[in-house]
Amino acid sequence: RKEVEQDPGPFNVPEGATVAFNCTYSNSASQSFFWYRQDCRKEPKLLMSVYSSGNEDGRFTAQLNRASQYISLLIRDSKLSDSATYLCVVNIPDTGFQKLVFGTGTRLLVSP
Amino acid sequence: GAVVSQHPSRVICKSGTSVKIECRSLDFQATTMFWYRQFPKKSLMLMATSNEGSKATYEQGVEKDKFLINHASLTLSTLTVTSAHPEDSSFYICSASRRMGGELFFGEGSRLTVL
Repeated sequence: RKEVEQDPGPFNVPEGATVAFNCTYSNSASQSFFWYRQDCRKEPKLLMSVYSSGNEDGRFTAQLNRASQYISLLIRDSKLSDSATYLCVVNIPDTGFQKLVFGTGTRLLVSP
Repeated sequence: GAVVSQHPSRVICKSGTSVKIECRSLDFQATTMFWYRQFPKKSLMLMATSNEGSKATYEQGVEKDKFLINHASLTLSTLTVTSAHPEDSSFYICSASRRMGGELFFGEGSRLTVL
């Protein structure tokens, strides 16, 4: 099983739609979870961290389900500018340091 | 916010030459930096973890003699692709965090094309 798995998409949605992405992780000892956004040919940028209690930032809501080992990202009222690849990132506890592992990303295309 | 700068952003070289990429943390000290490689339409693959003052830790399948990493100071790590070949053409990105397991700040990436 991969350390971090995501549906690659693409998800094609119209403006104003609500869309949700899921990501599963294999290491139950993981403690840190993030969603990054990556635009084409650019570096990834942090969208939001994911907290145990769930957290919301404007139109974006992130949730963590430890029992099932998945995290989710919900985008409400999609904008054209939301078109990007969304990367699920999970820390993998390791000796000496904790490395972060990226999912393959889920591509979102928002159309007019 | 924290800034990580990477240079050069683009490089084209002939097969067999070596290319050095620099990664600098501009406003914080990074004892650990990470080097990733990303092929088109693929996710970031961790290549190695660069530790200040000690040897880098390489991921399985990454040749340490081909991808030389040096982390000479708390704000600078370099990746040298030695004897580059066309299959080494890729997008190389570095990142650093203020603390273990914390937010990663990425450099702008370096697009390497080996002819």
